[in-house]
Amino acid sequence: KNEVEQSPQNLTAQEGEFITINCSYSVGISALHWLQQHPGGGIVSLFMLSSGKKKHGRLIATINIQEKHSSLHITASHPRDSAVYICAVSSWGKLQFGAGTQVVVTP
Amino acid sequence: DGGITQSPKYLFRKEGQNVTLSCEQNLNHDAMYWYRQDPGQGLRLIYYSQIVNDFQKGDIAEGYSVSREKKESFPLTVTSAQKNPTAFYLCASTINRDTGELFFGEGSRLTVL
Repeated sequence: KNEVEQSPQNLTAQEGEFITINCSYSVGISALHWLQQHPGGGIVSLFMLSSGKKKHGRLIATINIQEKHSSLHITASHPRDSAVYICAVSSWGKLQFGAGTQVVVTP
Repeated sequence: DGGITQSPKYLFRKEGQNVTLSCEQNLNHDAMYWYRQDPGQGLRLIYYSQIVNDFQKGDIAEGYSVSREKKESFPLTVTSAQKNPTAFYLCASTINRDTGELFFGEGSRLTVL
């Protein structure tokens, strides 16, 4: 069983819609990462957080340590947001990854 | 600009050949990682290194080898012993394995013909 679960697996939204991706984990963590993988394969780090909430542009990430849950929100989605979003947790020096959420934003 | 460079981006190999994927970083990071990504699956750890001249096996190390002779470089060799080597390979690094931001290369796509 994967210790990092993401939902949904796939998501299609119309431009302008609000998008939420969820991540649940079952281990103690020192940090949680949200990553974005472009169609070409390269991965960039969007957020690293260990508590509370972070915002960068139209992206917001939240984490609830007690509930072992994090969400990534995309406000006013745009076709250029189409990508795979990956949740990863740092746990005792080890990184564990979710399977990713494929997001498609249509014009 | 600091970052991680992987090469080649695309690589084709005949069965029975060893191939080496390059990973170079100029971020002064101690920790470096190699991951394999297959369609529909999360990243799986092949090898990692926390310091020069030291590396550890990950979850799927069989059929792979690495070296860490310099801080900046962490090459991965896919040997002929790897049963199913066709995959996308990603190199990553971080300054702190517990709380550091992750940096990834652009990946190398290996196809065995």
